[in-house]
Amino acid sequence: GQQVMQIPQYQHVQEGEDFTTYCNSSTTLSNIQWYKQRPGGHPVFLIQLVKSGEVKKQKRLTFQFGEAKKNSSLHITATQTTDVGTYFCAGSYIPTFGRGTSLIVHP
Amino acid sequence: DAGVIQSPRHEVTEMGQEVTLRCKPISGHNSLFWYRQTMMRGLELLIYFNNNVPIDDSGMPEDRFSAKMPNASFSTLKIQPSEPRDSAVYFCASSLSETSTDTQYFGPGTRLTVL
Repeated sequence: GQQVMQIPQYQHVQEGEDFTTYCNSSTTLSNIQWYKQRPGGHPVFLIQLVKSGEVKKQKRLTFQFGEAKKNSSLHITATQTTDVGTYFCAGSYIPTFGRGTSLIVHP
Repeated sequence: DAGVIQSPRHEVTEMGQEVTLRCKPISGHNSLFWYRQTMMRGLELLIYFNNNVPIDDSGMPEDRFSAKMPNASFSTLKIQPSEPRDSAVYFCASSLSETSTDTQYFGPGTRLTVL
C-alpha cells in the first residue's frame, strides 16, 4: 500500500537557524497536506498543495510539492521557540500520515 | 464555533474492560475520521465515514475494535475487550468535503491507558 515517509524524525536547532523536513511517497499523490502538532496537542492543518511544482508561503514557512507529486518539503526560516512541535505531511485520497518530524528549538 | 468534541479526554481502564470513545464532529461536516497515535506507530487512520457510512475500515486493528456513526453529529469507537497495547491517544477528525482530501479538523483526543 501507499507509504509516506518523513525525514528527519527529530531535528534540534538553535533559535534563528533554518529547518527543513521532507516527505516522500511511494506513489503519486493527488495532493499533500501539512499539519503541526504542538506537544500535548492535536494536529492542526497548515496548508494543502495540489499542483505539480507548487510552492506556497506562510510567513516564515515555505511549502513545496515536487514536480512528480511524490515528494514535498516544509522549510522554516529563522526558527522561533513557537515553532516547536511535530510537523506531519499527509497525502492522497485516503489520508496517509507520515511519522512526522519533531522540531526542537533551543533558545 | 465549536470544534470537534471528544469525550472522555482521559480514560484509564483495566485489561478486559469495554471502552467507548465518543466524538461530535463540526456541524455540517460530511466526513469523519478516527485515528490512533502512539510513539511506535505514529498517527494511524483507523476508519473513516462519509455521510455516516463507513468507507474504509482497513486500519481497524482487529475485531475488538468497532466504530459507528448513527447520525451526522455523533460517532463512537469501541474497544471490547481492551488490552494494554491499545493504550494510545485516539483522535477524531472531521472535514467538510465528501472526499477525504479536504482539510481535516482534529479534536483534542482521548488519552487511553489500559492497565
